[in-house]
Amino acid sequence: GENVEQHPSTLSVQEGDSAVIKCTYSDSASNYFPWYKQELGKRPQLIIDIRSNVGEKKDQRIAVTLNKTAKHFSLHITETQPEDSAVYFCAAYSSNTGKLIFGQGTTLQVKP
Amino acid sequence: ETGVTQTPRHLVMGMTNKKSLKCEQHLGHNAMYWYKQSAKKPLELMFVYSLEERVENNSVPSRFSPECPNSSHLFLHLHTLQPEDSALYLCASSQDKGTYEQYFGPGTRLTVT
Repeated sequence: GENVEQHPSTLSVQEGDSAVIKCTYSDSASNYFPWYKQELGKRPQLIIDIRSNVGEKKDQRIAVTLNKTAKHFSLHITETQPEDSAVYFCAAYSSNTGKLIFGQGTTLQVKP
Repeated sequence: ETGVTQTPRHLVMGMTNKKSLKCEQHLGHNAMYWYKQSAKKPLELMFVYSLEERVENNSVPSRFSPECPNSSHLFLHLHTLQPEDSALYLCASSQDKGTYEQYFGPGTRLTVT
């Protein structure tokens, strides 16, 4: 069935460094890829998304890249800050199945 | 953050109890979702409703029974649960089903004893 693999499961960086989280998906009919951030004890919130007709999207310190051929997309956070510490979830929506499948999550820790 | 609300925030129930979780969205959205979040499987989609019609049931055991009386309210009725059902249950809504941002509620922390 549909599957989204997310790596790494945990990531620790120094403040100011960059962080990269990678996801792969199995359903070639996937056409929408959101990223959600969940701070400790809080609800998940959308931080950025990308659609299959675009290869890259950037919003200030956050960027997402998509490689449809490899079925691979990544989240890039530059100049990390302690408030970036959270769990990040990638997801892929398939136009075939109508399902949004989430990755397993990455716990990012930014050390001051 | 009052767009999507959930009650109760915490619930402890025995395996023979019957309880209900409530979700309400004030965003005028047409689609609503139930997710289960646990340490083993972070975000599992359980049910999807679009315009009050259930469009997705992700192989969820019958001890979980959803109800969507109107586009603003969603319930999850629980009965004869198992300890492994203990988790955070998140409700979400979106403009429509599909490629739209989902807005999550704060969740109900459920403990089954």
